[in-house]
Parts: sequence; C-alpha cells; structure tokens
Amino acid sequence: AQSVTQLGSHVSVSEGALVLLRCNYSSSVPPYLFWYVQYPNQGLQLLLKYTSAATLVKGINGFEAEFKKSETSFHLTKPSAHMSDAAEYFCAVSPTGTASKLTFGTGTRLQVTL
Amino acid sequence: GAVVSQHPSRVICKSGTSVKIECRSLDFQATTMFWYRQFPKQSLMLMATSNEGSKATYEQGVEKDKFLINHASLTLSTLTVTSAHPEDSSFYICSARSGTGGAGGYTFGSGTRLTVV
Repeated sequence: AQSVTQLGSHVSVSEGALVLLRCNYSSSVPPYLFWYVQYPNQGLQLLLKYTSAATLVKGINGFEAEFKKSETSFHLTKPSAHMSDAAEYFCAVSPTGTASKLTFGTGTRLQVTL
Repeated sequence: GAVVSQHPSRVICKSGTSVKIECRSLDFQATTMFWYRQFPKQSLMLMATSNEGSKATYEQGVEKDKFLINHASLTLSTLTVTSAHPEDSSFYICSARSGTGGAGGYTFGSGTRLTVV
C-alpha cells in the first residue's frame, strides 16, 4: 500500500522567509503525488501535482515541489512566505492505475509571523 | 477550471434524524466521487468511493447502512447520514475525479460541517 509521511505537524516561518514543508512517500513504483492547501472550514485546493513528467513541478501561489526518487521525497517550497500562506497543507499520493484514490498525509500547519 | 459544489456548508440536526449532503460537479462529468471525513486538526479519512450507476465501495470500518451514498448521475453524488448521533459530528468533504487514473485530478468540494445535537 502507498503512503506519505509529512514531517512536522507545525511549521512556523517569518514573512518573507523560505517555506519548506516535507513529504516522503512509500511506494514500490513511482506514484502520482499532490500537494493541497486547506483554509479553515474549507475544502482542499490543489497547489500542484507530479504525474511522472518533469520532476520539478511549479504550482499556484509561487509554490513548487521537486520529485526525488532517490530520496522518495516530494518537498514543497516557496521562496518567500506571505501572511496569506498560513493554512494547513496536505501531501497526498495516488497510484497510477485506473482504480486510483488519494491517500493523505497527516498535514502540516504553516504559521507565518511578522 | 473544474468546480465541485457541496451543500449545505453547515448543518445542525437533532440526534436520530437523517441528513443529506449533496456534491455536484458543475463543469465536468465525474466518473468517480469520493467522500471523506475530517476530524478537528486531523487529516482526511476516505469513507467511500462511488462510481456513477454502481454501488459505493466503503472503506473498512465505515458503516454502509449509516452512511448511504448515491451516485445516480455523472454530476451528482449524495451522502446521507442516517439516524445521526453526536459522534457523527464532523467535517465531511467530497471529491470528484474526471476520467480514470490519478493524473486526471481530484477536485474537492468546500466541505460540510455537521453538528448533531
């Protein structure tokens, strides 16, 4: 079974600082990987996804993630944090077959301080 | 882009009553819809997967008689919480996928906050 592990349930950065949210996956074959953001009492919004094309994936709101097979990682980064980035972030994995479904990590709450 | 509408956003019901939550894909046909439950400060737990015109597939530990899922068309799926009890209070989120395979993308509704009193 596939799974993802998000290291750090809570990350705090200063406004303007680098954002790094960690995600490691477990899968016997390269899966599809996703990052979602959730604001309070809302659904999930897709930030970016890796579907076996380019290993460096650029998403919305200045976020990007790099798929590293050797490290089984898919960390999310943003060069400069903004107050509006404060939210819950979920890494998710999906197999590539037709019966695919998402499996989520436990989430990382990003706090942005002045 | 793909939009999924979920209603209601918030509902309060009395213990013992049933509540229906609707999930509609507005601008695409959703071959598969997923229902998740999220407890406070926790991740999303998949409850069931439904394909249009077929019976839903429930995850282990999810009571299919309590959480009734109907996916009668390619744009609408409903989750009915029957004989609700306070422990059913939670945030429920639906997701729709177009096509087959994960690369097709998953679009999420805005969620429903259910409170059973």
